[in-house]
Amino acid sequence: QVTLKESGPVLVKPTETLTLTCTVSGFSLSNTKMGVSWIRQPPGKALEWLAHIFSNDETSYRSSLKSRLSISKDTSKSQVVLTMTNMDPVDTATYYCARIRRLRYFDWLSFPDYWGQGTLVTVSS
Amino acid sequence: NFMLTQPHSVSESPGKTVTISCTGSSGSIASNYVQWYQQRPGSAPTTVIFEDNERPSGVPDRFSGSVDSSSNSASLIITGLKTEDEADYYCQSYDISNQYVFGTGTKVTVL
Repeated sequence: QVTLKESGPVLVKPTETLTLTCTVSGFSLSNTKMGVSWIRQPPGKALEWLAHIFSNDETSYRSSLKSRLSISKDTSKSQVVLTMTNMDPVDTATYYCARIRRLRYFDWLSFPDYWGQGTLVTVSS
Repeated sequence: NFMLTQPHSVSESPGKTVTISCTGSSGSIASNYVQWYQQRPGSAPTTVIFEDNERPSGVPDRFSGSVDSSSNSASLIITGLKTEDEADYYCQSYDISNQYVFGTGTKVTVL
């Protein structure tokens, strides 16, 4: 059974750095066909992809946020960590981690097949 | 920037069929795959369609997907609509840099 669970602060102040941890079970972060992505959703708005990481440490970041994001993994702990610097109230959102799976015929692409429950992060002084 | 546009909302009665469109702003949506996600109120998204028209195990065959290159759009079709299908639905594809792009979302209401 694949599960993902996000953890981290519920409230951060403007200019602070956000650190979120995704703890996974039911699959290994060393699986070459799988990875983990972070996706957020501001209240009442659409989903927005942030970053992902694969077993070979291949990473990708949302272009508009690349300078503020960092993603890493600890395979032995089954954890993926996202950091986002210089937080602003517009970053208030529910942050989801998701397992991503490479497409069968376009293996440079992937999609989220299992999602965590999400964690609401509010940015306010 | 590549965008995916969906209708804000659709409504239909139980047992009927709804079709949700997802239109690409440029390029060819048919050149990359499209996924669809269901998000019930207060819950995390779940995947209902991947690779244009594949269903994950556990997703009923009332859900199907299609792509129309002539209109640069994809569609999610839900037949035999049930009250449990009431949710927000998002399409997802990729931009020219292979980064994920999500659609604007469609709220499905079962009357």
